[in-house]
Amino acid sequence: EIVLTQSPATLSLSPGERATLSCRASQSVSSYLAWYQQKPGQAPRLLIYDASNRATGIPARFSGSGSGTDFTLTISSLEPEDFAVYYCQQRSNWPPTYSFGQGTKLEIK
Amino acid sequence: QLQLQESGSGLVKPSQTLSLTCAVSGGSISSGGYSWSWIRQPPGKGLEWIGYIYHSGSTYYNPSLKSRVTISVDRSKNQFSLKLSSVTAADTAVYYCAREDYSNYGRWFDPWGQGTLVTVSS
Repeated sequence: EIVLTQSPATLSLSPGERATLSCRASQSVSSYLAWYQQKPGQAPRLLIYDASNRATGIPARFSGSGSGTDFTLTISSLEPEDFAVYYCQQRSNWPPTYSFGQGTKLEIK
Repeated sequence: QLQLQESGSGLVKPSQTLSLTCAVSGGSISSGGYSWSWIRQPPGKGLEWIGYIYHSGSTYYNPSLKSRVTISVDRSKNQFSLKLSSVTAADTAVYYCAREDYSNYGRWFDPWGQGTLVTVSS
């Protein structure tokens, strides 16, 4: 089973600042990594797939990078609506199962 | 635009079976070679993948839940369902259904249903 570890658990920043969130896999997942944003009371929303591709309608301030075991989600300049919890996710080839990171809470400083 | 909507009992007694349905609208559950998943989130905690069913009917489950989970599809109603047996308080969670989208490289969940809270309590 591939374990995803996100850091930090909580990130306190101000609007306009740059946010850098990390996701580390226990073994290589190539570029098969996705990122989601979740706000209270809402379902997760897909932000990034295949490590670096923005989903439809996602603003350009969101970007993803990395491959192998180390991945980063960057928000270039935080908007008030970006404060939320962020999860990374991967799918193993065999057995074909999914796992999520434990989440990073991005809070207003 | 594809939309998913969960429904089912919001309160289940311990040791009984949780049953949920996900209705798919705006597209056919049988087209596109997609698979359809259930994911849950205990209150205040992270996301846990439960399992999925392929368009062909093949299923794969989280090993930690495999002995208690059944996912099935009803193509005539364009919906798929989850049954989780022998529930305990630890199964209390918001349950989401989602479609697995894919590329030549990876797989991810999009879109998601809004989620439904299931509480296990006597």
